[in-house]
Amino acid sequence: EAQVTQNPRYLITVTGKKLTVTCSQNMNHEYMSWYRQDPGLGLRQIYYSMNVEVTDKGDVPEGYKVSRKEKRNFPLILESPSPNQTSLYFCASSFAANYGYTFGSGTRLTVV
Amino acid sequence: AQSVTQPDIHITVSEGASLELRCNYSYGATPYLFWYVQSPGQGLQLLLKYFSGDTLVQGIKGFEAEFKRSQSSFNLRKPSVHWSDAAEYFCAVGATNAGNMLTFGGGTRLMVKP
Repeated sequence: EAQVTQNPRYLITVTGKKLTVTCSQNMNHEYMSWYRQDPGLGLRQIYYSMNVEVTDKGDVPEGYKVSRKEKRNFPLILESPSPNQTSLYFCASSFAANYGYTFGSGTRLTVV
Repeated sequence: AQSVTQPDIHITVSEGASLELRCNYSYGATPYLFWYVQSPGQGLQLLLKYFSGDTLVQGIKGFEAEFKRSQSSFNLRKPSVHWSDAAEYFCAVGATNAGNMLTFGGGTRLMVKP
């Protein structure tokens, strides 16, 4: 089944403790992206990648890192999480810019 | 930079009634335009998209949208709403000259009355 898989689905952590949210897609898509969703703000793009080793900042990149060492994986790294990074995070992938993204099921992160 | 506005935060319609969700975008060239639906606790599912050609596009679940360049709009419509359509709907615009950067509107929550 074609899908984008994120792990974990739920995560509670403490301020300052590094964490990684994994994302993997099995569709051989070149484009991948991370979004965060907050009430009243919709979805905001954190980082996106157009291919292996090619990444760029979205609208809200501060406090996040990404890497794209393989085509299928696009992990999101929070080096020192803070409470304002409590959010619902979505990974997405796309075949091409005009194709529309396929989204993962989301990761609900709480930073206390 | 591109932007998207969904003027209606909440909309309530009766089951069987028609539906129109508004979307206005700001972008200098011809954009890629998308509508997504998010059911409670779920990820986003692509309903339909526009990037060229016929300005009236058909999507899944009986939805359609019309691209109007003169009004910078891409409104979503459905002739007869079903209770299962209750969800949050997001309009999004993609920039043709910025890789795959996709900007979303704030969303419209649709409630369906029996």
